[in-house]
Amino acid sequence: LAKTTQPISMDSYEGQEVNITCSHNNIATNDYITWYQQFPSQGPRFIIQGYKTKVTNEVASLFIPADRKSSTLSLPRVSLSDTAVYYCLVGDMLRSGNTPLVFGKGTRLSVIA
Amino acid sequence: NAGVTQTPKFRILKIGQSMTLQCAQDMNHNYMYWYRQDPGMGLKLIYYSVGAGITDKGEVPNGYNVSRSTTEDFPLRLELAAPSQTSVYFCASSYLAGGTEAFFGQGTRLTVV
Repeated sequence: LAKTTQPISMDSYEGQEVNITCSHNNIATNDYITWYQQFPSQGPRFIIQGYKTKVTNEVASLFIPADRKSSTLSLPRVSLSDTAVYYCLVGDMLRSGNTPLVFGKGTRLSVIA
Repeated sequence: NAGVTQTPKFRILKIGQSMTLQCAQDMNHNYMYWYRQDPGMGLKLIYYSVGAGITDKGEVPNGYNVSRSTTEDFPLRLELAAPSQTSVYFCASSYLAGGTEAFFGQGTRLTVV
């Protein structure tokens, strides 16, 4: 599994755009990049996944450069309810066996009013 | 559609007692996982399963056992509970391997005294 590195924490004011970058220098050809969000006392929730370039959904955007050695999760105009821990995972969804979901420490985002 | 269901939600155990944390999913997912999360920390993988009858150790398997006799159920057994096993336990499932979307249960908060 590709190892990921994220900032431990970030602070932002309400209404700002927040960008969280994840480094995954040894990402493999078949690996996808997946981001999860975890609120206190809840299990993580899938928010977005991508392979290359840009992916956008109703919650976030994911930017992946051509070399795929990093990715950036972008949250537009955050609110207090976006305060959570965000995890970046890299893995091959088609390769069975020794590719379980392994979470790193994640990035703790605090949104301030 | 219930998704991933964990029981119980809360439990207090005395040192040396045993218990089974139940996890069931109704999405016909092949992959199931057990994690523990200590306060302020990330998720640590305890055990995982890639299908009925197949289980494997994760990052922190000591003190735990699992079985997977059906696709739907993946119970986690704690033998001889210790204070170090005080944590929140999350069960998750996914259709494909590590790079796909996983669905989490609401967690079981366990305290060993």
